[in-house]
Order: sequence, then C-alpha cells, then structure tokens
Amino acid sequence: KQEVTQIPAALSVPEGENLVLNCSFTDSAIYNLQWFRQDPGKGLTSLLLIQSSQREQTSGRLNASLDKSSGRSTLYIAASQPGDSATYLCAVGNYGQNFVFGPGTRLSVLP
Amino acid sequence: GAVVSQHPSRVICKSGTSVKIECRSLDFQATTMFWYRQFPKKSLMLMATSNEGSKATYEQGVEKDKFLINHASLTLSTLTVTSAHPEDSSFYICSAGGLAGVADEQYFGPGTRLTVT
Repeated sequence: KQEVTQIPAALSVPEGENLVLNCSFTDSAIYNLQWFRQDPGKGLTSLLLIQSSQREQTSGRLNASLDKSSGRSTLYIAASQPGDSATYLCAVGNYGQNFVFGPGTRLSVLP
Repeated sequence: GAVVSQHPSRVICKSGTSVKIECRSLDFQATTMFWYRQFPKKSLMLMATSNEGSKATYEQGVEKDKFLINHASLTLSTLTVTSAHPEDSSFYICSAGGLAGVADEQYFGPGTRLTVT
C-alpha cells in the first residue's frame, strides 16, 4: 500500500528566501506525481504534474523534481513571497489506483 | 484549463438531515469523478470513484448507504450525506478527469465545507 509523507510539516521563512519542500513515497511504481497548493478553507490548486518518465517540471518560481528510484520528490520555491503562504500537498498516482495524498507542509512566508 | 465547480461552497445543516453536494465539470466531459474528504489538519482521503451511468466504487471504510453518490451525466456527480451527524462535518472535494484506475491529471473542485450542528 502506497504511503506518502511530507517533511517538514510546517515551515516559516522570511520573504525572499529560496526553500525546498520534500515528499517521500514508499512504492516507486508510480504513474505520476502532482503538487498542489491549498489555501485555508479553499480547494486545491494544481501546481505541477510530473509524469513517471520525467525528472522535473518548472512553472515560474516553482520547480518540482522526481526521483522514482529513491521514492522522493521535491518542490523548490524561489524568492518566496508572502502570497506563497499556504499548505502544499503532494499526491502520488499509482497504476490501478487513484491519488494518495501526503499530509502536507504548511508554509508561512513572513514579510 | 479545465474547470470543476462545486455547489454549495459552504453548508450548515442540523443533525439528522441530508445534504447534497454537486460537482460539475464546466468545460469538459468527465466519465469519472472522484470524491475526497479532508479532516481538519489532515490530508485528503479518497472516498469513492464515481462513474457515469454506473454505481460508484467506495473505498474501504466508507459507508455507501451514508454517502450516496450519483453520476447521472458526463458533467455532473452528486454526493448526498444522509442523516448527517456532527462527525460528518468535514471538507469535501471532488475531482474530475482521467479514467478510473488510471491516475491521469485530475481537475479539482474548490471544495464544500459541511458543518453539522
């Protein structure tokens, strides 16, 4: 059974810092991996989707990497801004199943 | 990009009543929609997979008689929480897109916050 963990659970950084969020999964036979952002009380916003054949995806200040063999993905946020404050979820898509979500990392970017 | 809406965004109901939540794909046809539930400070858990024109597939531990799912058309799935209790209070999110059993990109709705008093 796929299990997804995220470290750290919470992170507080000053504005302008570059930061890395980590996601680990136990079963490397994944179909894809997706990073989401969730604002308090709101739904999910898809940030980046990485197919199993890809190593990374980039969108603006965001870069997500995927290392299937080690069961890890990272989300890199460059030049963080207060508007980046949210909970970031990674979700792993497995063959024959749907997404399994991690518990999330709650990010606070201080002005 | 594809848009998925949910209605209502927030609902408060009394214990014992039933509540219906709608999930619509606005600009594409979704043969499969997924319902997730999120407990406070927890991650999303898949509740069921809703297939157009057929019965939903429920995850282990989810009561199908309590959480009724109907996928009557390619753009609409509904989740009805029957005889709601305070422990049903949660954030419910749907997603659409992809095929059941294949984790393609899913488009998520904004969520519905249910509070049962």
